[in-house]
Amino acid sequence: ETGVTQTPRHLVMGMTNKKSLKCEQHLGHNAMYWYKQSAKKPLELMFVYNFKEQTENNSVPSRFSPECPNSSHLFLHLHTLQPEDSALYLCASSPWGDIAKNIQYFGAGTRLSVL
Amino acid sequence: AQKVTQAQTEISVVEKEDVTLDCVYETRDTTYYLFWYKQPPSGELVFLIRRNSFDEQNEISGRYSWNFQKSTSSFNFTITASQVVDSAVYFCALSEASTFTTNFGNEKLTFGTGTRLTIIP
Repeated sequence: ETGVTQTPRHLVMGMTNKKSLKCEQHLGHNAMYWYKQSAKKPLELMFVYNFKEQTENNSVPSRFSPECPNSSHLFLHLHTLQPEDSALYLCASSPWGDIAKNIQYFGAGTRLSVL
Repeated sequence: AQKVTQAQTEISVVEKEDVTLDCVYETRDTTYYLFWYKQPPSGELVFLIRRNSFDEQNEISGRYSWNFQKSTSSFNFTITASQVVDSAVYFCALSEASTFTTNFGNEKLTFGTGTRLTIIP
C-alpha cells in the first residue's frame, strides 16, 4: 500500500467514449503527477500539478484533460481516444519544495484499452 | 540531456541465486539523484532507494544492495538469495537538481525502460 489509490484498475473504452480516471493520495503531499507507461518504453510524464495548479504539460494531446480540484485528488478525463493510447496510466504524488525529501510515490495504475 | 539505460531487458534466475540489475546514467549536472523502483505484477511502482550524487557509499538493506560508481556512471542493484516474491520489473531513474529548480520545486524523473526479473522456484 503506497498511499496512492487509483480507480478504476481496468478500463475498456471505445474511441467515441468519454471516461475519467481518478487518483487519490493520503500522504499529505502537494504535488501530483500523471504518467503513461507503454510496453517497451520508459515512463512518460504527462502532467504535473502543484497545489492544484498545473505546472507541466508534456505536449500531451488535448484528448487527455487533467483536473486537480485539491491537493489530494487528481483526475484524467479521456475523450475520443485512439488505440495507441492504450497503456497503463500511473498517478504519483510527492512533497513539494524540499529536494531532500522529494520522492514520488505511485499508485497501481489504470490499465486502459481503447478499442 | 539526462538519460538512463537499463540494458538488461529480461533476466531469469533460479531461486536463491544472486542477481545484479545494471543501470547506467548520463547527466551534465553535478548534483543529481538516482532511484530504484520495483513494479510487481499488481502494477504500482514501489520506491526502493534514493541516492544523491555526493554520497557514493554503497547501501545494503536486507537482501538488497546498491553499488554507486560515479566513475562509470552506474548505479547497480543486487538482490542476494533471490526469492519468488522478487519477481517484478525494476526501474532505475534519475533526476537532476537543476530541473528541480526550473520545475517549480518538483523533481523531474527520467526512467529507464526497466528490467523484468523472473525468479524461478
